[in-house]
Amino acid sequence: AQSVTQPDIHITVSEGASLELRCNYSYGATPYLFWYVQSPGQGLQLLLKYFSGDTLVQGIKGFEAEFKRSQSSFNLRKPSVHWSDAAEYFCAVGPYNTDKLIFGTGTRLQVFP
Amino acid sequence: EAQVTQNPRYLITVTGKKLTVTCSQNMNHEYMSWYRQDPGLGLRQIYYSMNVEVTDKGDVPEGYKVSRKEKRNFPLILESPSPNQTSLYFCASSKYTRTASETQYFGPGTRLLVL
Repeated sequence: AQSVTQPDIHITVSEGASLELRCNYSYGATPYLFWYVQSPGQGLQLLLKYFSGDTLVQGIKGFEAEFKRSQSSFNLRKPSVHWSDAAEYFCAVGPYNTDKLIFGTGTRLQVFP
Repeated sequence: EAQVTQNPRYLITVTGKKLTVTCSQNMNHEYMSWYRQDPGLGLRQIYYSMNVEVTDKGDVPEGYKVSRKEKRNFPLILESPSPNQTSLYFCASSKYTRTASETQYFGPGTRLLVL
């Protein structure tokens, strides 16, 4: 079955520490891949997306993500987390040539000073 | 400013009392969609619309109706709300209909409580 998995429900890091949020998908072909962020009380905002080409994608707010075909993963990373990064992060996949966008269950990031 | 707006932002109602949540976008987008967000379940699509007068069911359409009479507006209608429709609702839009490759723009959300 097609699925998107974010195995970490909640992650806590200290400000300045590095961050990696995991996302795995299960589809027959490489889908379009997205990371969205939801700040408290806000809608979702696109951080970055991957369609093809360079497997390391740069996004806004200093985030990057790496697509690994062999692992069916699209993990989000940031070298140094800021307190303002506290939010919920959603991985989403769009199966090729469809109208669907499938969201993972989200990872809530808490940042300690 | 390019944006998706939703009204109301917060709503408390009682079982069976019809309600409408409005959604409007000013980006001339073809595609609009409604999602509900529930803890542990992420976002699930309720209905979507590829253009004016073209709507279709998403993954969880039961208990909801939509209409798309104008390109900019896509209201979500709950004819007879029930407590299991208590949720956070998001409207989203994208430029084209082939949404798997399109960036979606989200409204700020509407938090609904059905008593």
